[in-house]
Amino acid sequence: SQTIHQWPATLVQPVGSPLSLECTVEGTSNPNLYWYRQAAGRGLQLLFYSVGIGQISSEVPQNLSASRPQDRQFILSSKKLLLSDSGFYLCAWSRDRPGQGTQYFGPGTRLLVL
Amino acid sequence: QKEVEQDPGPLSVPEGAIVSLNCTYSNSAFQYFMWYRQYSRKGPELLMYTYSSGNKEDGRFTAQVDKSSKYISLFIRDSQPSDSATYLCAMRAAGANNLFFGTGTRLTVIP
Repeated sequence: SQTIHQWPATLVQPVGSPLSLECTVEGTSNPNLYWYRQAAGRGLQLLFYSVGIGQISSEVPQNLSASRPQDRQFILSSKKLLLSDSGFYLCAWSRDRPGQGTQYFGPGTRLLVL
Repeated sequence: QKEVEQDPGPLSVPEGAIVSLNCTYSNSAFQYFMWYRQYSRKGPELLMYTYSSGNKEDGRFTAQVDKSSKYISLFIRDSQPSDSATYLCAMRAAGANNLFFGTGTRLTVIP
């Protein structure tokens, strides 16, 4: 069966500091991978998605970036965090055929920028 | 207008009640519909996945899709305190990767 991991679970960072959140998927190959941010009352906002190694699509312009160095690894980064970057970050995966199946979510990382 | 509208609640019901959760949408291209359950401080968990119009039943859960009205529902029978969570609807068009989510309805089932 497939498993998706995210770490850290919780992170408190000062404004202006860098960020690196990691997501890995087990039990499948060549998944589509997604980063979402969830803010209270605003639902899930898609930030990035990737259909393969080194292939990243950005949905929302911001000071965040994503990378996919390995098939089942997806990283969310920032060089300088803003207060507005606080939120619950979720990684998700879906099967490798575009538009097929649905998305399965990881446990999330709660980020607080102070 | 948002692509997907969902009443945020909160919704409180007594144990054993039938719960009805709903979403409306504006994009007629949506063909795949999902319901996720999210416990506090956890990631969303897929509950139901349906294609096009019709009903789908899984245990105490029934998902309904009415494409003519652009309206989807999730019914929970014999609700339990363990059903207390936020329920998110999501949908996408055929061939698309991106899901469009409702903002979620917070449900509390009172013992």
